[in-house]
Amino acid sequence: TQLLEQSPQFLSIQEGENLTVYCNSSSVFSSLQWYRQEPGEGPVLLVTVVTGGEVKKLKRLTFQFGDARKDSSLHITAAQPGDTGLYLCAGDDYKLSFGAGTTVTVRA
Amino acid sequence: SAVISQKPSRDICQRGTSLTIQCQVDSQVTMMFWYRQQPGQSLTLIATANQGSEATYESGFVIDKFPISRPNLTFSTLTVSNMSPEDSSIYLCSVDGGTALYGYTFGSGTRLTVV
Repeated sequence: TQLLEQSPQFLSIQEGENLTVYCNSSSVFSSLQWYRQEPGEGPVLLVTVVTGGEVKKLKRLTFQFGDARKDSSLHITAAQPGDTGLYLCAGDDYKLSFGAGTTVTVRA
Repeated sequence: SAVISQKPSRDICQRGTSLTIQCQVDSQVTMMFWYRQQPGQSLTLIATANQGSEATYESGFVIDKFPISRPNLTFSTLTVSNMSPEDSSIYLCSVDGGTALYGYTFGSGTRLTVV
């Protein structure tokens, strides 16, 4: 059984602070994806990482993929209240397996 | 990426009854996926629906409880049968974006409360 462990479960920070969310897999997927979900909506794709050692940047968000393709992190610089949401990592193997999710709250 | 219309957005149902959730996609897709999500928690895959064949269910989910229809390449339904309060959850459908870089697109979900 493939398992994705995500940490921390909850993060509450002040606007302007930085945060990091971690995702560790027990096995290798064809790709690893990060989603953000807001209340009343479905998850929305932030990024897909495929290659070990890959680093992708999306404005203030930086995504890293470990060399062994089993661990990943999401780092947000200077968080804003609009970054509040549920962040989910997911492994893709012709279907998605999700981590437990990290609820991020950015206080103004 | 595909656009998914999911309905109803929410419903309150009596225990013992059934609810059918519909998902319409604006383009043809091979596979559609159905998930369950407790509020504030992660998503659990219920089943994968291919057009023209029976759905493939994940461990812990059975066809009698969650029958799925996939009559064409743009539409699917999930029925939650003989509901109990434990079925109260958010149900979402999803489609593959075609390549890994596009990820998956999700409907906005159906919030079900069973009383």
